[in-house]
Amino acid sequence: DQQVKQNSPSLSVQEGRISILNCDYTNSMFDYFLWYKKYPAEGPTFLISISSIKDKNEDGRFTVFLNKSAKHLSLHIVPSQPGDSAVYFCAAKARGGSYIPTFGRGTSLIVHP
Amino acid sequence: DVKVTQSSRYLVKRTGEKVFLECVQDMDHENMFWYRQDPGLGLRLIYFSYDVKMKEKGDIPEGYSVSREKKERFSLILESASTNQTSMYLCASSPLPYGGYTFGSGTRLTVV
Repeated sequence: DQQVKQNSPSLSVQEGRISILNCDYTNSMFDYFLWYKKYPAEGPTFLISISSIKDKNEDGRFTVFLNKSAKHLSLHIVPSQPGDSAVYFCAAKARGGSYIPTFGRGTSLIVHP
Repeated sequence: DVKVTQSSRYLVKRTGEKVFLECVQDMDHENMFWYRQDPGLGLRLIYFSYDVKMKEKGDIPEGYSVSREKKERFSLILESASTNQTSMYLCASSPLPYGGYTFGSGTRLTVV
């Protein structure tokens, strides 16, 4: 049973426009959320995170929004650039337990010039 | 910068072989992890370790074992490789168990 769901396997966006990557979760014990970016033939790299006590976190062109009541988070990239083309993984950590985050299946973003 | 080095980028092994995947990190992190990445399945945790000689099973430990004899090195062992273990294997380390992961570049293992 997937606790972290990225329901869109792929997303195509024009350069300069906004990219919105979505992530839904089912475990109400999740209290910390992370986004990772992965290029082909490379390991994932950490992008941005948000604690459940916040509803927004911003870092340059990247903003993550958290809607706890809907158990939904989204990553906004504005403006999108061709170098943003990668697979984006959403991950969530639960309060207590092993503290190891659970990853979603990823969304492949393609930004067209 | 933290560096996580995986010994091989590509490996081809035969069914039934014992396979060792090595991972070394250079920043004195306590936590190390082994994941596999498969299309449509994302990143799945195989094993992790909080400290030397310590190991914990992840979500899919069957068919794998690990060894952590030194803090900087975390080895993944496929006791008897099977074709369903063909995958991209990713090692990571972090100062915290839940975040700040640094991943290696991955080992693409093909079992024939």
